[in-house]
Amino acid sequence: QKEVEQDPGPLSVPEGAIVSLNCTYSNSAFQYFMWYRQYSRKGPELLMYTYSSGNKEDGRFTAQVDKSSKYISLFIRDSQPSDSATYLCAMKRDSSYKLIFGSGTRLLVRP
Amino acid sequence: NAGVTQTPKFQVLKTGQSMTLQCAQDMNHNSMYWYRQDPGMGLRLIYYSASEGTTDKGEVPNGYNVSRLNKREFSLRLESAAPSQTSVYFCASSRASTASTDTQYFGPGTRLTVL
Repeated sequence: QKEVEQDPGPLSVPEGAIVSLNCTYSNSAFQYFMWYRQYSRKGPELLMYTYSSGNKEDGRFTAQVDKSSKYISLFIRDSQPSDSATYLCAMKRDSSYKLIFGSGTRLLVRP
Repeated sequence: NAGVTQTPKFQVLKTGQSMTLQCAQDMNHNSMYWYRQDPGMGLRLIYYSASEGTTDKGEVPNGYNVSRLNKREFSLRLESAAPSQTSVYFCASSRASTASTDTQYFGPGTRLTVL
């Protein structure tokens, strides 16, 4: 079983929809949670990060962590065609170099 | 400020050939990393360098070697390429590898095909 599970998609939604992307994990020691966005044939770019539990909002994006369920989410409001990309979750333990990635969910926002 | 740069962008090798992938960062980061990305597998760590002068194995180090040339540069070498090493390779850097809120920044990648 992988430490971090992520549905590969693709997830296809109409422009303006609310998108929910999710990851589950098995290691309760993870404390630092990140979402990366990766456009086709590009490197991943950091979108948002949260430390421990709770929510964090940045514009149209909200990251949510539920440590009791070992479940993290990324919500995108008013989705745009430019949001079409692969979204990777990543997480790490305190004082660890090792970042564990999910396999990514491909999102397509249709105009 | 270019961030993390990688060369080459593309490479085709024959089985048994060797090559070096180059990576440089201009963010004065202490830590650098090499990952490979394969379909359905996500990003897997090959090697990392917590600071200048140190290197350590990651999850999938077999068949690779690395050199931390200086604080800016971290190279990945394939001594005898195999078809299983066909992948997209990403270099990343961060300020301090074990800090709780340390964030990794990625380069644009090198697409390698081994025939």
